Amino acid sequence: GQQLNQSPQSMFIQEGEDVSMNCTSSSIFNTWLWYKQDPGEGPVLLIALYKAGELTSNGRLTAQFGITRKDSFLNISASIPSDVGIYFCAGRDNNNDMRFGAGTRLTVKP
Amino acid sequence: DTGVSQNPRHKITKRGQNVTFRCDPISEHNRLYWYRQTLGQGPEFLTYFQNEAQLEKSRLLSDRFSAERPKGSFSTLEIQRTEQGDSAMYLCASSLVPVAEAFFGQGTRLTVV
Repeated sequence: GQQLNQSPQSMFIQEGEDVSMNCTSSSIFNTWLWYKQDPGEGPVLLIALYKAGELTSNGRLTAQFGITRKDSFLNISASIPSDVGIYFCAGRDNNNDMRFGAGTRLTVKP
Repeated sequence: DTGVSQNPRHKITKRGQNVTFRCDPISEHNRLYWYRQTLGQGPEFLTYFQNEAQLEKSRLLSDRFSAERPKGSFSTLEIQRTEQGDSAMYLCASSLVPVAEAFFGQGTRLTVV
């Protein structure tokens, strides 16, 4: 089946720093989605990417759909304490199936 | 609130008991997914419905698991003869195909004791 490798597994950064995380796949996706999950809650959609090469921003978040359609990255600029959480990438294929990476746990030190 | 709604939020059950969870998707959303998530892992796909049709089931979905979406609106996920390994967060998401964006509910946390 499809494998999504998300890295890094965890990050510890200082408030104000920029963050970058990425996701790679063994197969091609038509859509990449980035979610954030807080403890005990469901994932919340941050950004959706629909075309290879697409670069999309949502406030301090920027995500890109890789040219090969097998990877995506998410950047967070000027991190703040409420950015703490687990970030998941998800890819959708031709069947509209949605598969998730294992997540990047972000800790922001004030 | 017109988001995805899941009930109950928490369920504690004894091993061997049956449990049923409910998911109410965003109104008019035709695609409904069920995922399972264990601590430290990403959501694992279980099954999805397009309207009332169940189009795919993961190998994770053993014979003890059954899901329905009888009228193409809400869905139920039943686990029979629960085992301790079933303890997890069960997540439901919905989307309006062909739009790719899927929105999750808050999940049902199951603890089997």
